[in-house]
Amino acid sequence: AQSVAQPEDQVNVAEGNPLTVKCTYSVSGNPYLFWYVQYPNRGLQFLLKYITGDNLVKGSYGFEAEFNKSQTSFHLKKPSALVSDSALYFCAVRDRNNDMRFGAGTRLTVKP
Amino acid sequence: DAGVIQSPRHEVTEMGQEVTLRCKPISGHDYLFWYRQTMMRGLELLIYFNNNVPIDDSGMPEDRFSAKMPNASFSTLKIQPSEPRDSAVYFCASSPIRDTGELFFGEGSRLTVL
Repeated sequence: AQSVAQPEDQVNVAEGNPLTVKCTYSVSGNPYLFWYVQYPNRGLQFLLKYITGDNLVKGSYGFEAEFNKSQTSFHLKKPSALVSDSALYFCAVRDRNNDMRFGAGTRLTVKP
Repeated sequence: DAGVIQSPRHEVTEMGQEVTLRCKPISGHDYLFWYRQTMMRGLELLIYFNNNVPIDDSGMPEDRFSAKMPNASFSTLKIQPSEPRDSAVYFCASSPIRDTGELFFGEGSRLTVL
Protein backbone atom coordinates (compact mmCIF):
# COMPACT_ATOMS: atom_id res chain seq x y z
CA ALA A 1 0.00 0.00 0.00
CA GLN A 2 1.15 3.51 -0.69
CA SER A 3 2.11 5.89 2.11
CA VAL A 4 3.83 9.18 2.80
CA ALA A 5 5.84 10.31 5.79
CA GLN A 6 6.39 13.81 7.08
CA PRO A 7 9.31 13.58 9.47
CA GLU A 8 8.82 16.98 11.11
CA ASP A 9 5.81 17.84 13.26
CA GLN A 10 6.82 21.49 13.33
CA VAL A 11 8.89 23.83 11.17
CA ASN A 12 9.77 27.35 12.27
CA VAL A 13 11.24 29.95 9.94
CA ALA A 14 11.70 33.69 9.94
CA GLU A 15 9.76 35.80 7.49
CA GLY A 16 11.73 36.32 4.30
CA ASN A 17 13.79 33.18 4.73
CA PRO A 18 13.40 30.12 2.52
CA LEU A 19 11.29 27.28 3.85
CA THR A 20 11.27 23.54 3.29
CA VAL A 21 8.66 21.07 4.47
CA LYS A 22 9.80 17.49 4.01
CA CYS A 23 7.93 14.50 2.64
CA THR A 24 9.02 11.01 1.67
CA TYR A 25 6.87 8.44 -0.04
CA SER A 26 6.51 4.70 -0.43
CA VAL A 27 4.54 3.42 -3.39
CA SER A 28 4.71 0.67 -5.94
CA GLY A 29 4.68 1.95 -9.47
CA ASN A 30 4.54 5.60 -10.46
CA PRO A 31 3.64 7.93 -7.61
CA TYR A 32 1.09 10.70 -7.87
CA LEU A 33 2.09 13.16 -5.16
CA PHE A 34 0.26 16.16 -3.75
CA TRP A 35 0.64 18.96 -1.25
CA TYR A 36 -2.27 20.54 0.61
CA VAL A 37 -2.52 23.37 3.12
CA GLN A 38 -5.00 23.70 5.98
CA TYR A 39 -5.76 26.96 7.75
CA PRO A 40 -7.49 26.91 11.17
CA ASN A 41 -11.07 25.66 11.09
CA ARG A 42 -10.97 25.18 7.32
CA GLY A 43 -10.83 22.28 4.91
CA LEU A 44 -7.68 21.30 3.06
CA GLN A 45 -6.73 23.32 0.00
CA PHE A 46 -4.76 21.93 -2.91
CA LEU A 47 -1.34 23.52 -3.50
CA LEU A 48 0.37 21.45 -6.19
CA LYS A 49 0.88 17.98 -7.58
CA TYR A 50 3.42 15.83 -9.38
CA ILE A 51 2.13 13.37 -11.94
CA THR A 52 4.90 13.14 -14.51
CA GLY A 53 7.36 15.35 -16.33
CA ASP A 54 9.57 18.01 -14.75
CA ASN A 55 10.78 17.17 -11.29
CA LEU A 56 10.22 20.74 -10.11
CA VAL A 57 6.53 21.51 -9.78
CA LYS A 58 5.20 25.02 -9.22
CA GLY A 59 1.95 25.64 -7.41
CA SER A 60 -0.19 28.21 -5.65
CA TYR A 61 1.03 31.09 -3.46
CA GLY A 62 4.63 30.81 -4.71
CA PHE A 63 5.14 27.27 -3.45
CA GLU A 64 7.04 24.63 -5.37
CA ALA A 65 8.05 21.05 -4.77
CA GLU A 66 10.85 18.89 -6.03
CA PHE A 67 10.27 15.26 -6.91
CA ASN A 68 13.34 13.12 -6.26
CA LYS A 69 12.91 9.53 -7.34
CA SER A 70 16.22 8.26 -5.98
CA GLN A 71 15.49 9.66 -2.53
CA THR A 72 11.73 8.97 -2.76
CA SER A 73 11.10 12.51 -1.61
CA PHE A 74 8.74 15.33 -2.53
CA HIS A 75 9.75 18.30 -0.40
CA LEU A 76 7.71 21.51 -0.42
CA LYS A 77 9.67 24.74 -0.77
CA LYS A 78 9.24 28.47 -0.96
CA PRO A 79 12.08 30.95 -1.56
CA SER A 80 10.78 33.61 0.81
CA ALA A 81 8.32 32.79 3.60
CA LEU A 82 5.43 35.04 4.64
CA VAL A 83 3.75 35.20 8.03
CA SER A 84 0.52 34.31 6.22
CA ASP A 85 2.07 30.98 5.15
CA SER A 86 1.72 29.77 8.74
CA ALA A 87 -0.59 26.76 8.55
CA LEU A 88 -0.71 22.98 8.59
CA TYR A 89 0.76 21.30 5.50
CA PHE A 90 -0.04 17.81 4.30
CA CYS A 91 1.74 15.64 1.79
CA ALA A 92 -0.41 13.00 0.07
CA VAL A 93 -0.11 10.17 -2.42
CA ARG A 94 -2.69 8.71 -4.74
CA ASP A 95 -2.32 5.46 -6.59
CA ARG A 96 -4.05 3.47 -9.27
CA ASN A 97 -6.63 2.32 -6.75
CA ASN A 98 -7.60 5.99 -6.58
CA ASP A 99 -7.70 6.58 -2.84
CA MET A 100 -5.69 9.47 -1.41
CA ARG A 101 -3.48 8.87 1.64
CA PHE A 102 -2.18 11.77 3.72
CA GLY A 103 0.86 12.26 5.89
CA ALA A 104 0.57 13.30 9.51
CA GLY A 105 0.99 16.95 8.68
CA THR A 106 3.64 19.56 9.46
CA ARG A 107 2.81 22.76 11.26
CA LEU A 108 4.65 25.66 9.69
CA THR A 109 5.15 28.80 11.75
CA VAL A 110 6.62 31.87 10.10
CA LYS A 111 7.75 34.49 12.58
CA PRO A 112 7.93 38.20 11.73
CA ASP B 1 -19.24 26.57 -8.41
CA ALA B 2 -20.16 26.45 -4.74
CA GLY B 3 -17.58 23.83 -3.87
CA VAL B 4 -18.15 20.84 -1.62
CA ILE B 5 -20.87 21.61 0.89
CA GLN B 6 -21.04 19.89 4.26
CA SER B 7 -23.63 20.11 6.99
CA PRO B 8 -23.84 20.62 9.84
CA ARG B 9 -20.65 22.60 10.48
CA HIS B 10 -20.87 21.86 14.18
CA GLU B 11 -22.73 19.11 16.02
CA VAL B 12 -22.82 18.51 19.75
CA THR B 13 -24.63 15.41 20.88
CA GLU B 14 -24.78 12.99 23.75
CA MET B 15 -23.35 9.51 23.80
CA GLY B 16 -25.72 6.99 22.31
CA GLN B 17 -27.44 9.40 19.95
CA GLU B 18 -27.50 8.98 16.20
CA VAL B 19 -25.46 11.45 14.17
CA THR B 20 -25.88 12.09 10.45
CA LEU B 21 -23.38 14.16 8.50
CA ARG B 22 -24.19 15.33 5.00
CA CYS B 23 -22.19 16.17 1.93
CA LYS B 24 -22.93 17.62 -1.48
CA PRO B 25 -19.99 17.11 -3.85
CA ILE B 26 -19.06 19.36 -6.72
CA SER B 27 -21.25 18.67 -9.72
CA GLY B 28 -19.60 16.36 -12.23
CA HIS B 29 -17.16 14.84 -9.77
CA ASP B 30 -17.24 11.05 -9.88
CA TYR B 31 -15.31 10.39 -6.69
CA LEU B 32 -16.39 11.18 -3.13
CA PHE B 33 -14.28 10.65 -0.03
CA TRP B 34 -15.00 10.78 3.70
CA TYR B 35 -12.10 11.56 6.04
CA ARG B 36 -11.85 11.95 9.80
CA GLN B 37 -9.33 14.29 11.40
CA THR B 38 -8.17 14.11 15.02
CA MET B 39 -5.10 15.35 16.81
CA MET B 40 -4.04 11.83 17.70
CA ARG B 41 -4.59 10.10 14.35
CA GLY B 42 -4.39 12.89 11.82
CA LEU B 43 -6.39 12.45 8.62
CA GLU B 44 -7.93 9.02 8.21
CA LEU B 45 -9.68 7.86 5.07
CA LEU B 46 -12.96 6.27 6.09
CA ILE B 47 -14.57 5.38 2.78
CA TYR B 48 -14.71 6.48 -0.81
CA PHE B 49 -17.22 6.16 -3.64
CA ASN B 50 -16.91 6.07 -7.39
CA ASN B 51 -20.08 6.87 -9.33
CA ASN B 52 -22.10 6.42 -6.13
CA VAL B 53 -20.71 2.94 -5.48
CA PRO B 54 -18.60 2.34 -2.35
CA ILE B 55 -15.15 1.19 -3.46
CA ASP B 56 -13.17 0.91 -0.24
CA ASP B 57 -14.69 1.07 3.23
CA SER B 58 -11.79 -0.55 5.05
CA GLY B 59 -11.20 2.64 7.00
CA MET B 60 -14.62 2.67 8.60
CA PRO B 61 -13.89 2.15 12.31
CA GLU B 62 -16.67 -0.27 13.15
CA ASP B 63 -20.25 -1.23 12.45
CA ARG B 64 -21.53 1.88 14.17
CA PHE B 65 -20.38 3.82 11.12
CA SER B 66 -22.17 3.67 7.80
CA ALA B 67 -22.05 5.76 4.63
CA LYS B 68 -24.37 6.03 1.68
CA MET B 69 -24.45 7.83 -1.62
CA PRO B 70 -27.97 7.51 -3.02
CA ASN B 71 -27.22 9.80 -5.96
CA ALA B 72 -24.41 11.79 -7.53
CA SER B 73 -25.16 14.93 -5.55
CA PHE B 74 -25.55 13.66 -2.00
CA SER B 75 -23.81 11.48 0.55
CA THR B 76 -24.31 10.79 4.25
CA LEU B 77 -22.10 9.47 7.00
CA LYS B 78 -24.03 8.07 9.91
CA ILE B 79 -22.85 7.09 13.38
CA GLN B 80 -25.25 5.05 15.48
CA PRO B 81 -24.83 4.96 18.41
CA SER B 82 -22.27 7.70 18.86
CA GLU B 83 -19.49 7.54 21.45
CA PRO B 84 -17.17 10.23 22.88
CA ARG B 85 -14.21 8.77 20.96
CA ASP B 86 -16.02 9.63 17.72
CA SER B 87 -15.44 13.32 18.43
CA ALA B 88 -13.49 14.67 15.47
CA VAL B 89 -13.74 16.81 12.39
CA TYR B 90 -15.24 14.89 9.48
CA PHE B 91 -14.35 16.03 5.99
CA CYS B 92 -15.98 15.22 2.71
CA ALA B 93 -14.01 15.66 -0.51
CA SER B 94 -14.72 15.11 -4.18
CA SER B 95 -12.56 14.60 -7.24
CA PRO B 96 -13.29 14.59 -10.95
CA ILE B 97 -10.44 12.46 -12.15
CA ARG B 98 -9.18 9.03 -11.27
CA ASP B 99 -5.72 8.66 -9.73
CA THR B 100 -4.12 11.93 -10.92
CA GLY B 101 -6.77 14.36 -9.74
CA GLU B 102 -6.60 16.48 -6.64
CA LEU B 103 -9.34 16.43 -4.03
CA PHE B 104 -11.62 19.35 -3.29
CA PHE B 105 -12.52 19.49 0.39
CA GLY B 106 -15.52 20.80 2.21
CA GLU B 107 -15.13 22.92 5.33
CA GLY B 108 -15.75 19.95 7.59
CA SER B 109 -18.24 18.97 10.27
CA ARG B 110 -16.94 19.25 13.80
CA LEU B 111 -18.57 16.57 15.95
CA THR B 112 -18.48 16.58 19.73
CA VAL B 113 -19.98 13.61 21.56
CA LEU B 114 -20.45 14.20 25.27
